[in-house]
Amino acid sequence: DIQMTQSPSSLSASVGDRVTITCRASHYIITNLNWYRQKPGRAPELLIFAASSLQSGVPSRFSGGGSGTDFTLTISSLQPEDFATYYCHQAYSVPYTFGQGTKLEIK
Amino acid sequence: QVQLQESGPGLVKPSQTLSLTCTVSGGSVSSGNYYWSWIRQPAGKGLEWIGGIYTSGITNYNPSLKSRVTMSLDTSENQLYLELRSVTAAETAVYYCARKFVGGDYGFDYWGQGTLVTVSS
Repeated sequence: DIQMTQSPSSLSASVGDRVTITCRASHYIITNLNWYRQKPGRAPELLIFAASSLQSGVPSRFSGGGSGTDFTLTISSLQPEDFATYYCHQAYSVPYTFGQGTKLEIK
Repeated sequence: QVQLQESGPGLVKPSQTLSLTCTVSGGSVSSGNYYWSWIRQPAGKGLEWIGGIYTSGITNYNPSLKSRVTMSLDTSENQLYLELRSVTAAETAVYYCARKFVGGDYGFDYWGQGTLVTVSS
C-alpha cells in the first residue's frame, strides 16, 4: 500500500492568513493526488484533483502543486469556512489511501 | 445534479454482517466512465477506502478487508451495495459512498452524506 503522510497534523491560523499543507507519498504517484476539505459532521468535498487542478465551484484561493512524491495545498487567504480538516488522497493505485488529516484551527 | 444517499441499519451486532445501500439519483450507476466506492471514517479519525466497483461490475477491495467484503451494483434500482461480514466494534464508523471518474487523474467528486453504523451487542 502507498502510505500518505501529511504535515502538520494541526495548524492554527487567522482569517486572511496564507497557509500551506504538505503531503508526502511513500511511492511515486505522478500527479495522482487529490485534496479534500471536511467540515465537522459533513462529507469530504473535493478541492483539488490531479495535484493542481481546481475542482469546479471551488474558490480560487485554493491551489495545489507537486508531483512524484511531494505535494502541497495552499490557501491564499483563509476564510471562516476554511477552518476544517484537510485530507490528501492518492488515486495512483488501489488500495486508495488518504493522509491522516490536517486540522486547521482558528488562532 | 448527482446525489448519493446511504441507508441501512444503524446498529449491527459483533460477528454479524453490515449491509448498506447507496441510492444514486441524477445519474446512472451503470453508465459513464465511473468508479463507485465505499469509504469509512471512525469518529474523530481519518478516512479508509473499503473498496470500489466499476460500472462493468468489476471490483477492487482493500486487502485489509478483502476476505469479508462484497460490493455490487443493482442497475434496475440504480443502487450500490456493501456487505461487510464478521464485523467488530472497531468497525463502528460513518460509512460513505462516493463516485470518481475512472483513472488516476480524478478524485471523489460526489459523496453521500454518510451513515453511522455502530457495532455493539
